[in-house]
Amino acid sequence: EIVLTQSPGTLSLSPGERATLSCRASQSVSSRYLAWYQQKPGQAPRVLIYGASSRAPGIPDRFSGSGSETDFTLTVSRLEPEDFAVYYCQQYGSSSWTFGQGTKVELK
Amino acid sequence: EVQLVESGGGLVQPGGSLSLSCAASGFTLSSYYMSWVRQSPGKGLEWVANINKDGSEKKYVDSVKGRFTVSRDNAKNSLFLQMSSLRVEDTALYYCARWSYGFDIWGQGTMVTVSS
Repeated sequence: EIVLTQSPGTLSLSPGERATLSCRASQSVSSRYLAWYQQKPGQAPRVLIYGASSRAPGIPDRFSGSGSETDFTLTVSRLEPEDFAVYYCQQYGSSSWTFGQGTKVELK
Repeated sequence: EVQLVESGGGLVQPGGSLSLSCAASGFTLSSYYMSWVRQSPGKGLEWVANINKDGSEKKYVDSVKGRFTVSRDNAKNSLFLQMSSLRVEDTALYYCARWSYGFDIWGQGTMVTVSS
């Protein structure tokens, strides 16, 4: 099983600031099969990024993904008020899919 | 409107069984790989099971293998999760989710509580 470790656990930022979230895999994620999700309280998750760097339809271009093999990053270039949420990475490159434990982006 | 609606959750004793359903509407279920994902209260997301388009291939997280069974009825636009030998640690909100470019459509979830 590929273990995904996200850091930091919590990120305290202000609107307009840049958010950089990390997702590290215990082994290489084949074909960059990594996705990022946003979840707000009481809501189901929403896919932001797939294939490590492709934005899902309707996702603003302030969200970007990068990385390969074991190190991946989600960047929010300028935080909007609606971006304060929990973010999860997920790998789908192995037969057993896994999520990271999440990073909470909170208002400073 | 494209949507998934789960049902069947509830309170069950340890060792008991429960069957979850997920009704799909607004799209052709048979065109998509489908999954179940769960979230324990206040915790993160955990992938539970996948099923391919025609139901011939299924995969499970190790912790539910031999206890949970995923199935689908494309003619009825429905996805199912049969759960047996339930444990306290199976307590969670269970989501069904459509796989496309990532999990692009999620239901609202159905709560399963395993407690004596």
